[in-house]
Amino acid sequence: DSGVTQTPKHLITATGQRVTLRCSPRSGDLSVYWYQQSLDQGLQFLIQYYNGEERAKGNILERFSAQQFPDLHSELNLSSLELGDSALYFCASSPRDSHSYNEQFFGPGTRLTVL
Amino acid sequence: DAKTTQPTSMDCAEGRAANLPCNHSTISGNEYVYWYRQIHSQGPQYIIHGLKNNETNEMASLIITEDRKSSTLILPHATLRDTAVYYCIVRVAGTGGYQKVTFGTGTKLQVIP
Repeated sequence: DSGVTQTPKHLITATGQRVTLRCSPRSGDLSVYWYQQSLDQGLQFLIQYYNGEERAKGNILERFSAQQFPDLHSELNLSSLELGDSALYFCASSPRDSHSYNEQFFGPGTRLTVL
Repeated sequence: DAKTTQPTSMDCAEGRAANLPCNHSTISGNEYVYWYRQIHSQGPQYIIHGLKNNETNEMASLIITEDRKSSTLILPHATLRDTAVYYCIVRVAGTGGYQKVTFGTGTKLQVIP
């Protein structure tokens, strides 16, 4: 158990809908990262937050957005969903926004299925 | 960030050492080498990292060549539970908090009974 929690575990929805994925980082961790993993694909970095502020953006679509709240939990919002958005979405946290890449602790993921 | 090249898949007999190579020929002097693994759709798990010296922990050893252009992750006594996809990542230090990371597709290690 990494200490990172993600809800829900599974989510099934229809095209065009909007969903929110939630992540609670490990206690004391200030950075939260979101990743997308489609079937048989590698992990694609989406976005990173540190202490409430956006710090880095990867291959995140404009239909997707995220935020980190004062209690440090984070939400990833996916809107106008398409079939291709079906994937595993992972959240990770790390203890500091250091200038070096540091160990990230991954949650169990949310499996999103868009029908 | 430097790109990495890993074999798509490897097999290893149970109880034997698994040696997973990674090429990172464009690595810069301040880039670290990190290894993660992902067991069947679970969240990736950190294994080990290093800069230029060989490293060992309770999970694995990391051997980095002197020119730092390649590295090898060694699982000394592979078990069936080590069957997973192993990702080699290189990451620069001193980037002002920029944390974009590319995991790539990794090496699928199959440990055979």
